[in-house]
Amino acid sequence: QKEVEQDPGPLSVPEGAIVSLNCTYSNSAFQYFMWYRQYSRKGPELLMYTYSSGNKEDGRFTAQVDKSSKYISLFIRDSQPSDSATYLCAMSDYYNQGGKLIFGQGTELSVKP
Amino acid sequence: DAGVTQSPTHLIKTRGQHVTLRCSPISGHKSVSWYQQVLGQGPQFIFQYYEKEERGRGNFPDRFSARQFPNYSSELNVNALLLGDSALYLCASSLGDSRNEKLFFGSGTQLSVL
Repeated sequence: QKEVEQDPGPLSVPEGAIVSLNCTYSNSAFQYFMWYRQYSRKGPELLMYTYSSGNKEDGRFTAQVDKSSKYISLFIRDSQPSDSATYLCAMSDYYNQGGKLIFGQGTELSVKP
Repeated sequence: DAGVTQSPTHLIKTRGQHVTLRCSPISGHKSVSWYQQVLGQGPQFIFQYYEKEERGRGNFPDRFSARQFPNYSSELNVNALLLGDSALYLCASSLGDSRNEKLFFGSGTQLSVL
């Protein structure tokens, strides 16, 4: 079993829809949770960073962490065609020195005009 | 300010050859990490370097090695290339090596092994 599970999709939604992306994990030591966006043939771009449980909002993006369920989510409101990309969840644990992230497989999102 | 820069962007090698990939971190960042991303998968941690010292190593064979220079740039070396080494190699930099660091990635080097 992988430490981080993420549905690879692909997920296709119409423009303006609310998108929900999710990851589950098994390591209870994970404390830091991130969402990255990756366009084709590009490096991952940090979208959201949260520590422990709770919600964080940044513009059209909301990240949620539920440590009791070992479940994290990213919501995208009013989705745009430019949001079409692969979304990667990533996490690190309390003992991490700082450079090691555990990534999910990534979910491919397509927003249709 | 420039982001993380990696060179070359693309590389084609044959089995058994050696390859060196290069990375320049964001100005002021002292930590560099390397990741391998196989098509359709998330990035997988290879190494972390901070202040020229190795701080972490992932589950990769000894054919993979890296180093960090006094200017904080870094090289990833892979010997005796295998077909399975074909992947996007990503470099990420961060300010330091504390547990709550934010990692910023370069665009990667696409390595194809024939």
